[in-house]
Amino acid sequence: SQTIHQWPATLVQPVGSPLSLECTVEGTSNPNLYWYRQAAGRGLQLLFYSVGIGQISSEVPQNLSASRPQDRQFILSSKKLLLSDSGFYLCAWRIRIGQAGPLHFGNGTRLTVT
Amino acid sequence: GENVEQHPSTLSVQEGDSAVIKCTYSDSASNYFPWYKQELGKRPQLIIDIRSNVGEKKDQRIAVTLNKTAKHFSLHITETQPEDSAVYFCAVGSGNTGKLIFGQGTTLQVKP
Repeated sequence: SQTIHQWPATLVQPVGSPLSLECTVEGTSNPNLYWYRQAAGRGLQLLFYSVGIGQISSEVPQNLSASRPQDRQFILSSKKLLLSDSGFYLCAWRIRIGQAGPLHFGNGTRLTVT
Repeated sequence: GENVEQHPSTLSVQEGDSAVIKCTYSDSASNYFPWYKQELGKRPQLIIDIRSNVGEKKDQRIAVTLNKTAKHFSLHITETQPEDSAVYFCAVGSGNTGKLIFGQGTTLQVKP
């Protein structure tokens, strides 16, 4: 069966520090991968998605970037964190097929920028 | 781009009553409509979904209805139980990128 791993689970970082969040998927090949952010008490905002290695689409202009160095690895980064980057970051995957379908989320990383 | 509106933002019901949450969307090309449940501090989990070629789908106490003409869909929970208390999100998807655009969420409280 497929599983998705995200780490770390929680992170406290000072303003201006770099960030790297990692997500890996097991048990499937060629997944579509997604990064969402959830601010406290808010909905899920799509940040990036990837349909293949090295292919990244950005949904909103921001202080973050994403990379997909391997088929089942998705990384979210920042060179300098802002206070507004605080939130709950969720990685998700889905089978790559020709129609929309369910996304499966990881357990998330709770990031607090101080 | 796609815009998804979800109402109400909070909903409080007595145990045993029904709960209804509604979402509207803007892109007529959208063809996939899932609902997710998120408990406090946890990841969202899919509870039911529907595709554009179906008007209604039911799974035990949960049902989803879709009106493509009016571009809205609803989640119905019958015989609510305290463990149904959570935040519920609707979402809309289309095409092979698979990205989902989410509503802002509804906090459901079921009072025993």
